[in-house]
Amino acid sequence: DAGVIQSPRHEVTEMGQEVTLRCKPISGHNSLFWYRQTMMRGLELLIYFNNNVPIDDSGMPEDRFSAKMPNASFSTLKIQPSEPRDSAVYFCASSLGLGSSDGYTFGSGTRLTVV
Amino acid sequence: SQKIEQNSEALNIQEGKTATLTCNYTNYSPAYLQWYRQDPGRGPVFLLLIRENEKEKRKERLKVTFDTTLKQSLFHITASQPADSATYLCALDMGTGGFKTIFGAGTRLFVKA
Repeated sequence: DAGVIQSPRHEVTEMGQEVTLRCKPISGHNSLFWYRQTMMRGLELLIYFNNNVPIDDSGMPEDRFSAKMPNASFSTLKIQPSEPRDSAVYFCASSLGLGSSDGYTFGSGTRLTVV
Repeated sequence: SQKIEQNSEALNIQEGKTATLTCNYTNYSPAYLQWYRQDPGRGPVFLLLIRENEKEKRKERLKVTFDTTLKQSLFHITASQPADSATYLCALDMGTGGFKTIFGAGTRLFVKA
């Protein structure tokens, strides 16, 4: 398996623009997580899905952020409009299930820069 | 709310020695606790998971302990190698009935040859 695949790897956009980050989880994993990492705040959980259903989105910072999982093999995180403070590395992770002994498998992340 | 405390100072050790990293948490004990390794520019990589009813878990040169009385987990790397140099993250569930996992800030480990 190629692991969790995220795209793009890097994104530079202007303030006010819409940004869409994409994630393909490992086949057979039914839980998917979106995290954001900054030097100041570390890794923050934004939202997680189980069997394509959003379970907890309390970590989504504002209404500007939205996430979808239309099927078991694809998820998106959208920021509209983007702001400079959204600059961070965004990670997608998947697992066999909630509380799996195999932990989470993370993608390589998308480094977002909003100027 | 649940908080995780990891030593923010880097740990410097000599090759061959045992590295010990600490993870402390506040409030309730999690159902399970995880340890990850992160290299610069990469995503975290899962290493070990230990459940609340387990005292210790081992995997090759790695050992994790879980003391719910002290609210602490220790992560040991025996016979450390320069290739073990990385940031190590502790993660645990929020205990809210779901599986909301939060991460500590991590401890940077440097193993000197």
